[in-house]
Amino acid sequence: DAMVIQNPRYQVTQFGKPVTLSCSQTLNHNVMYWYQQKSSQAPKLLFHYYDKDFNNEADTPDNFQSRRPNTSFCFLDIRSPGLGDAAMYLCATSRGAGNEQFFGPGTRLTVL
Amino acid sequence: KNEVEQSPQNLTAQEGEFITINCSYSVGISALHWLQQHPGGGIVSLFMLSSGKKKHGRLIATINIQEKHSSLHITASHPRDSAVYICAVYYLGETSGSRLTFGEGTQLTVNP
Repeated sequence: DAMVIQNPRYQVTQFGKPVTLSCSQTLNHNVMYWYQQKSSQAPKLLFHYYDKDFNNEADTPDNFQSRRPNTSFCFLDIRSPGLGDAAMYLCATSRGAGNEQFFGPGTRLTVL
Repeated sequence: KNEVEQSPQNLTAQEGEFITINCSYSVGISALHWLQQHPGGGIVSLFMLSSGKKKHGRLIATINIQEKHSSLHITASHPRDSAVYICAVYYLGETSGSRLTFGEGTQLTVNP
């Protein structure tokens, strides 16, 4: 089945220690998104790629970076995680802008 | 500010009951998403619609563009339907065309 895969499902890191979350998709969608979701809150868009074009949300901290080496893979790098970065990180894809988004299972990040 | 409002925020039902969750939005949209999120889990896309009505199994989604309102109905509810249901819209005029605006979600609990 075509799907969106996120690894790892659970990630524990130490305060200030860089961490990378990965997302891959077999849907061949050209748009990929990264969301941050904190407990009992709606997902918050961090950035998205439209093909190779990177679109950063205005309020996404500089601490968050992303890479998309090819259509299938997208990475979220958190350079110096703080306690406030503990959250669920969701990857999603869509075929073109404004279309149905398909979400991965998420990576739950804990910062000690 | 463009907003998405859901009601109710919390809903408890008995197994077998017919359930309705409502979503209203403030300005013109290109499409509306209904999403489901189980506790601690990723997000599943249930429907995306821009007009009329869609049905999948026991789930029905309707949208009234003129009234800026959508409803999600669950027939013959079951405890496995217990989850957070999220309404999200693509507002017309979003510069990137890829940004969803999310409602706060409706927590549904179906008791056996």
